[in-house]
Amino acid sequence: GENVEQHPSTLSVQEGDSAVIKCTYSDSASNYFPWYKQELGKGPQLIIDIRSNVGEKKDQRIAVTLNKTAKHFSLHITETQPEDSAVYFCAATTGAQKLVFGQGTRLTINP
Amino acid sequence: GAVVSQHPSRVICKSGTSVKIECRSLDFQATTMFWYRQFPKQSLMLMATSNEGSKATYEQGVEKDKFLINHASLTLSTLTVTSAHPEDSSFYICSALRLATGQLRYGYTFGSGTRLTVV
Repeated sequence: GENVEQHPSTLSVQEGDSAVIKCTYSDSASNYFPWYKQELGKGPQLIIDIRSNVGEKKDQRIAVTLNKTAKHFSLHITETQPEDSAVYFCAATTGAQKLVFGQGTRLTINP
Repeated sequence: GAVVSQHPSRVICKSGTSVKIECRSLDFQATTMFWYRQFPKQSLMLMATSNEGSKATYEQGVEKDKFLINHASLTLSTLTVTSAHPEDSSFYICSALRLATGQLRYGYTFGSGTRLTVV
């Protein structure tokens, strides 16, 4: 089945700097790759997603890139702000439309 | 936008009792819902997939008699933790598969989660 690996597990950056989180997946048939932000005690919130027919997508300070050949995708956050501090999860779909999650990255923005 | 309402947000129950968690899709029909379990500082682990009007499909290692899932309508799925034990204490999250309609492409909408504590 699908396996999603996410790195790093923790990331600390200075406010205003960029943060990059990377994920790899195993199932070449996966075609949907969302990124979620989860704050303590809350459910995951979709922040950006990308489908397999696109290589890059951007939404203001957030961007996602997808390399289907290498089976990896990355989240880029620019001009980080304290409110970006949270746990971020990548995910990929299986053929059964199930979402398989990465292990999560705890992002801390230092003021 | 698409919203999934999950209740309760927190529940404390005694060992041996049952607890029901509800997830409702408020503005779309959810033919498929997924139930996840999340332990502290860990990722979301899929427990089961439920399709409206049919039996749920459980992931390996998940006891179907302990975690009863009902998806009787296109907008409501419930998870009942039966004969709860302290080790069942966890954060339970539902997710509804939102099919593509009009300009909206398919995606997944998550509930806000339920913190279950079994004492």
